[in-house]
Amino acid sequence: ETGVTQSPTHLIKTRGQQVTLRCSSQSGHNTVSWYQQALGQGPQFIFQYYREEENGRGNFPPRFSGLQFPNYSSELNVNALELDDSALYLCASSPPFQNTEAFFGQGTRLTVV
Amino acid sequence: AQSVSQHNHHVILSEAASLELGCNYSYGGTVNLFWYVQYPGQHLQLLLKYFSGDPLVKGIKGFEAEFIKSKFSFNLRKPSVQWSDTAEYFCAVNAQGNNRLAFGKGNQVVVIP
Repeated sequence: ETGVTQSPTHLIKTRGQQVTLRCSSQSGHNTVSWYQQALGQGPQFIFQYYREEENGRGNFPPRFSGLQFPNYSSELNVNALELDDSALYLCASSPPFQNTEAFFGQGTRLTVV
Repeated sequence: AQSVSQHNHHVILSEAASLELGCNYSYGGTVNLFWYVQYPGQHLQLLLKYFSGDPLVKGIKGFEAEFIKSKFSFNLRKPSVQWSDTAEYFCAVNAQGNNRLAFGKGNQVVVIP
């Protein structure tokens, strides 16, 4: 276990709805990153939060948004869900120094129907 | 932006066979390199990492990888696989000083007892 926990583990939503996914980072980690892993693909970077501010974003539209809280936990929000948003969403936390590894949670499996 | 290529997406081999998975990346600057493994139903776990120093890196469970800077490669090897090595393996890279990971598409490895 990495100490990174995500909820819920599985979720089914209808196209057009909105969803919020949650992540608790490992103790002492102040950086949280979110990744989308479509079936048969590697994880793709969505965005990263550092000290409650967005610190970099991948090639994802603005309907993907996030938050980081003072305790460094984080949320990923997706509005206007599309069928292609169906994927495993991974949260990773990193300690507060450079050149370190990321620790991943088990992910949230989102299915959009 | 960095990109990572992994070939031979599906690999099937017998126990005690040797395993080598290729990884090539494109990025002009200094990078950190990682191999992550995802066992069935489990979260992504770090196998090994390279930040600097000896280009031959040893990781957990008998895995090793060699960084060849001139070839932009970071190939993973294990001399003798076990059934328990059945998993998906991902190569990942980030620019030094930046925790955002770029992943390859992964190698699905099946070890037959």
